[in-house]
Amino acid sequence: DAGVIQSPRHEVTEMGQEVTLRCKPISGHDYLFWYRQTMMRGLELLIYFNNNVPIDDSGMPEDRFSAKMPNASFSTLKIQPSEPRDSAVYFCASSSGLAGGPSPFFGPGTRLTVL
Amino acid sequence: AQSVSQHNHHVILSEAASLELGCNYSYGGTVNLFWYVQYPGQHLQLLLKYFSGDPLVKGIKGFEAEFIKSKFSFNLRKPSVQWSDTAEYFCAVSTYGNNRLAFGKGNQVVVIP
Repeated sequence: DAGVIQSPRHEVTEMGQEVTLRCKPISGHDYLFWYRQTMMRGLELLIYFNNNVPIDDSGMPEDRFSAKMPNASFSTLKIQPSEPRDSAVYFCASSSGLAGGPSPFFGPGTRLTVL
Repeated sequence: AQSVSQHNHHVILSEAASLELGCNYSYGGTVNLFWYVQYPGQHLQLLLKYFSGDPLVKGIKGFEAEFIKSKFSFNLRKPSVQWSDTAEYFCAVSTYGNNRLAFGKGNQVVVIP
């Protein structure tokens, strides 16, 4: 298996622009997580899905952030409009709900820089 | 909500030295516990996890962790580190029936050859 795939790996954009991050989870995993990593706040859970349905989005910072999972093999995290404080590494992770609880496998991350 | 504390955010040690990283969590119920490692420029990888059973958990690359329920702790250990263990280490906790994984701030470990 190729693992969790994220694209793009790096994104540089200007303030006010729309940014879309993409994730392909590991085949067969029924949980998908979006995390954000910054020096100040560490790793924060933004939202997670179970069987393509958003379960907990309490970590989404504000209305500028939205996430979708139209099918079991694809998810997007969108920021519109982007701001410099959104600069961070965004990780997607997936896991299976079997075996006692999810232990997520992480993707390589998207490093977002908003100028 | 549960929280995770990791102390000694920066650790520098020589090869062959022993490593112990502390992790404490705040939650009184049943928990699942994890240690992840992030090598420079790479994504997070699972080192080990505890769900139930033997509180001493052995993971990959010679790491182990011990769950002490009375102390709300899940400390990570390795008896003899190598230069390749230079990385950032994250402790994480989820509660039974809740799939939110809360991470600590991480420990940056540098091993000097």
